[in-house]
Amino acid sequence: RKEVEQDPGPFNVPEGATVAFNCTYSNSASQSFFWYRQDCRKEPKLLMSVYSSGNEDGRFTAQLNRASQYISLLIRDSKLSDSATYLCVVNYQAGTALIFGKGTTLSVSS
Amino acid sequence: SQTIHQWPATLVQPVGSPLSLECTVEGTSNPNLYWYRQAAGRGLQLLFYSVGIGQISSEVPQNLSASRPQDRQFILSSKKLLLSDSGFYLCAWRPRGLVTEAFFGQGTRLTVV
Repeated sequence: RKEVEQDPGPFNVPEGATVAFNCTYSNSASQSFFWYRQDCRKEPKLLMSVYSSGNEDGRFTAQLNRASQYISLLIRDSKLSDSATYLCVVNYQAGTALIFGKGTTLSVSS
Repeated sequence: SQTIHQWPATLVQPVGSPLSLECTVEGTSNPNLYWYRQAAGRGLQLLFYSVGIGQISSEVPQNLSASRPQDRQFILSSKKLLLSDSGFYLCAWRPRGLVTEAFFGQGTRLTVV
């Protein structure tokens, strides 16, 4: 079983749509969770951390379900500039590396 | 503020040639350092990570090696490149001892021909 799994998509949505991505992880001892964004041919950049209580940053909402070992990202009112690949990321403990999912591709059209 | 530099940005190398990619971090001490590779259409694969000078952990058997000669310098090398070594190589750092996010360099796009 892969450590971090995501639906690769692509998700093709119109501007203004709400879209949700899910991610599952295999290691129940995982300690920290993140969503990264990667634009074509660029390095990944942190979108937001994911906290147990859930957290929101503008149009973006992240949630964590430790019991079910999944993480979600909700994007409201999609913009053309949201088109990118979204990477689900998990870390087991300090000192070890972040483990990345393969990413979910989002394409927002006008 | 902390910055991470990675070079070169692009590289085209013949099969069998050597490789050296360098990454340096500024503005922090004792960082954890990482090398990832992203093949075309695939996810980020962890290659090596280091928690200190001379301390290298390898995640997958391969044609590559890594070294950390200084606290904020991380080098990825190969003696003889294979076609399968082509990909997008990314260096990243994190503060030691914390479960924070990682920060990436701009990456090196390597094409082996």
